[in-house]
Amino acid sequence: KAGVTQTPRYLIKTRGQQVTLSCSPISGHRSVSWYQQTPGQGLQFLFEYFSETQRNKGNFPGRFSGRQFSNSRSEMNVSTLELGDSALYLCASTQGLATDTQYFGPGTRLTVL
Amino acid sequence: AQTVTQSQPEMSVQEAETVTLSCTYDTSESDYYLFWYKQPPSRQMILVIRQEAYKQQNATENRFSVNFQKAAKSFSLKISDSQLGDAAMYFCAYRSANSNSGYALNFGKGTSLLVTP
Repeated sequence: KAGVTQTPRYLIKTRGQQVTLSCSPISGHRSVSWYQQTPGQGLQFLFEYFSETQRNKGNFPGRFSGRQFSNSRSEMNVSTLELGDSALYLCASTQGLATDTQYFGPGTRLTVL
Repeated sequence: AQTVTQSQPEMSVQEAETVTLSCTYDTSESDYYLFWYKQPPSRQMILVIRQEAYKQQNATENRFSVNFQKAAKSFSLKISDSQLGDAAMYFCAYRSANSNSGYALNFGKGTSLLVTP
């Protein structure tokens, strides 16, 4: 099976802009989780989607949002970008069961200038 | 909220030697999962090993094994016969088994492992 894919791999934006990142899970997986990785804060959970519904949300401002489509692909959007949003954004997929292991994509490196 | 602590920011090991990475966690739950993930310079997060809290037997995957001490809330990773390809950042992660808590992973800050020839 193909792994988790994320597009684009790299993005450069300026403050105030918005950005959309995409994640395609492993075939058959219905849950997608998003994480932000920064040198200062480490890995932090953003949100999880399961069957097109947000099932869990981390402690991030409302500028961070996401959605999931019927084919389980997920997008996350960040509006009004700030310098502090520069990070590696990772998504992970599972079948959605409590016993599952999360498998990660290669990440999208976002730089905000 | 559960917290995961990795007290060793950096570790070094010689090729073919054994190294142990430490991880402790804080939780009031009795049922949960613990993971070790490896993140090489490519930044791809790779699962190394996982442990179910209800299992007393320590998990093993080839050269990787864990020492899971539930009462002490300790979950260390032992890498035997270290190889140059083991050089990476290693993250310990906790995940609740309670659906009401969601299935988000709580990560430690990571341990950077250097493997020397």
